[in-house]
Amino acid sequence: EVLLGESGGGLVQPGGSLRLSCVASGSSFENYWMSWVRQAPGTGLEWVATIKKDGSEKYYMDSVRGRFTISRDNAKKLLYLQMNSLRAEDTAIYYCARPQLLPHDIFNDWGQGTMVTV
Amino acid sequence: EIVLTQSPGTLSLSPGERATLSCRASQNVNSNHLAWYQQKPGQAPRPLMFGASIRAAGIPDRFSGSGSGTDFTLTISRLESEDFGVYYCQQYGSSSTFGQGTRLEIK
Repeated sequence: EVLLGESGGGLVQPGGSLRLSCVASGSSFENYWMSWVRQAPGTGLEWVATIKKDGSEKYYMDSVRGRFTISRDNAKKLLYLQMNSLRAEDTAIYYCARPQLLPHDIFNDWGQGTMVTV
Repeated sequence: EIVLTQSPGTLSLSPGERATLSCRASQNVNSNHLAWYQQKPGQAPRPLMFGASIRAAGIPDRFSGSGSGTDFTLTISRLESEDFGVYYCQQYGSSSTFGQGTRLEIK
């Protein structure tokens, strides 16, 4: 199990930028794919982005590709989501989550989430 | 993109009753890569099932999953008070998408 904790959420104007961080505790962060999943207020879940263990592969949902960038620092056990050109429809709780084994997989571990309001 | 449709939207049942939740996919889900989650207010989702029918760690055996192709079911054999919340299905065979959720509430 990996314990995850997000930070960096807040209120931003449309067109603005925000960077989310997620710190992992426990060993083997560098051995895991990592993802961001979001949940708009009162609605369902939406996968946003996934990054490979070494950062060499990245996948994005269509509506954020070109605006959001996922990255990681394995030495610091940190996952990031740089969000640019933010839109009202990006308003959501953003969770960092760990896929079980594959880039698209069940999410075994979740953080508590950080709220982004655009 | 594979669209998942969950039904019913809301299920009102009493403790001890059996709950049956449905998840229908717009296309075949590869290799039965279908998961279920439970979410309670103010909390992150909790994984329940993966591979359509395999319980995640620590999930009691009153939870069971079944189905293949485009039709999947989560069954809770005897509801306990802690089981109430919102349930989501997720397919991860082709990218990753979630259903809109089924709210399981106390009758």
